[in-house]
Amino acid sequence: DIQLTQSPSSLSASVGDRVTITCQATQDISNSLNWYQQKPGKAPKFLIYAASNLETGVPSRFSGSGSGTDFTFTISSLQPEDFATYYCQQYDKLPYTFGQGTKLQIK
Amino acid sequence: QVQLVQSGSEIKEPGASVKVSCKASGYVFAGYYIHWVRQAPGQGLEWVGRINPNTGATNYAQKSQGRVTMTWDTSISTAYMELSRLRSDDTAVYYCARVYAGLDFWGQGTLVAVSS
Repeated sequence: DIQLTQSPSSLSASVGDRVTITCQATQDISNSLNWYQQKPGKAPKFLIYAASNLETGVPSRFSGSGSGTDFTFTISSLQPEDFATYYCQQYDKLPYTFGQGTKLQIK
Repeated sequence: QVQLVQSGSEIKEPGASVKVSCKASGYVFAGYYIHWVRQAPGQGLEWVGRINPNTGATNYAQKSQGRVTMTWDTSISTAYMELSRLRSDDTAVYYCARVYAGLDFWGQGTLVAVSS
């Protein structure tokens, strides 16, 4: 199975900060990577597909980049509603796998 | 609008089976795979498997292989996930999700608690 390692596992930041999360795959997955946001007690929300494409309705402060094994997710200017846990997920090969998550907390 | 509505919480004893339903609306049910993802308390997301509601083809994660069965009923736009021989480590919230570019619409989740 393809393993995804997110870094950091947790992150404290302030409103207005720029934050970056990385996701590293154990093998080349091309651009077959999605990003999700999850708030406590809620289902995940789909944010980015194919590494860098914003899902419809997702604010433009969210962005993604990368290909192969190394990927980056960025929030350009944190808003209060962005404090949540973020997951990367690969769909290059079955089984789909998720990163372990990055919990973004208020500083 | 697209909606996935799941069945309610379940409490089961070890060794029992559970069947969770996921009723879709707002789109052509047969046109999109349904995936199942679970989340143990305080843990991350784990892919369980998927079903193609057009052909019935399924793929399961190795961890649940042999214990999980995914089915569907196109006439009522509903997908099902049945997990047998339940263990305590199956305790989790189980989500169904539709796939388009990614897992774009999710059900609200169903808590399955396994306890004696």
